[in-house]
This record gives sequence, C-alpha cells and structure tokens, in this order.
Amino acid sequence: RKEVEQDPGPFNVPEGATVAFNCTYSNSASQSFFWYRQDCRKEPKLLMSVYSSGNEDGRFTAQLNRASQYISLLIRDSKLSDSATYLCVVTFNTGRRALTFGSGTRLQVQP
Amino acid sequence: SAVISQKPSRDICQRGTSLTIQCQVDSQVTMMFWYRQQPGQSLTLIATANQGSEATYESGFVIDKFPISRPNLTFSTLTVSNMSPEDSSIYLCSVEVDSGTQYFGPGTRLLVL
Repeated sequence: RKEVEQDPGPFNVPEGATVAFNCTYSNSASQSFFWYRQDCRKEPKLLMSVYSSGNEDGRFTAQLNRASQYISLLIRDSKLSDSATYLCVVTFNTGRRALTFGSGTRLQVQP
Repeated sequence: SAVISQKPSRDICQRGTSLTIQCQVDSQVTMMFWYRQQPGQSLTLIATANQGSEATYESGFVIDKFPISRPNLTFSTLTVSNMSPEDSSIYLCSVEVDSGTQYFGPGTRLLVL
C-alpha cells in the first residue's frame, strides 16, 4: 500500500464549479500535511499547509481528519488558472523531515 | 520563502557519462533535499544533503550512483553517475524554510540517450 494515496483523476469541471480532492495516508504518526500544486513542466509550489482545525485561503479550504487519516482540499468557484496537478504531501514523525508525495490529482477546468 | 536556482535547467547526455547538477539558495538553510520525478510520476526523495557530513540516502538510492556535496548552507550538488536511459528524469532540489515547509528549485530535465 502506498504511504500517501490520491485519486489520479482527471477531474474535468466547468468554470465556477466546486471541486473536492481527497487523500489518505497510511502512517498514523504523520506529522505535517500540505497541498502542493504542480503545473505542467514546472516545479511543485506550496498551495497551503493543512491544520487539524481546518484552514481556508480564499477559494481554497483544507481539512484534516487524523482519526480517519484523511486530508481534503476544496476549491470553490474554479478558475481556468486552477488547472494543474494537486499533490497531497505528508511528513512522517520519524525524525526524517523529507516530504512524501501522493501521486497527484489532475484538475482541468473548462470554459 | 526562498529563491532557489538550479543549473543546468536541462541537458541531453550520452549513456555512461556523469552529470553534476547545482542547487543554489539565496539564504542559509539547514535542510536541503534532492528529489527525482520520473515521467508521469510524482516526486521521490533521493537523499537529504547534510552540511558537513555525508548525505542520507533513501532506500533504492546509493552514494556511488548519486554522490552529493553540501559544502555550505546555501549550496549543494547532485551527480548522476554512469548514466543510463532509465536515469532520464527531472531532478529537483528543495529547501526547508519553516518547520516542515519546503520550497523547490525549478528542476533539471535530464535526457539520457
């Protein structure tokens, strides 16, 4: 079983739609959680950290459920520029501070 | 955040040769990492570049194949040795700025013929 699992998509949605991505992680000792965004042929860029209480940044809302080992990202009012691959990223509480990436979920927002 | 540059941005190499990739950051950082992203896949950690000591490699990656240097807190190199077509990939360095938050360089696209 992969340490971080995501639905690869693609999710094809019209502009203005609300779309949600889910991610599960296998290690209950996971420490930190992030969503990164990767555009085609570009490096991953930090979209937002994910906190236990949930957090919001404009049109983006992230949720963490430690009991279910589940992370989500909600995008409201989708824009064409939101088209990208969204990577669920976790650090594990093993003293190793490197990131473990999910395989990514591809989003295509259509006009 | 941090401004990270990598050289070269891309290269085409012959099998059996080696390529050294440089990563430069605009501020001193404790933690630097090297990742690989193979075509159509997500990122896989190669190693943690430790300043003043040997790099820490992940399972499946060895120092003879991917030697790493970290001479100071703003610079690191990754060498891909004795290359084969299977090494064709994007190689990315990253730095940890805030606790657990990492930022990535633009990547080096390598094609081995």
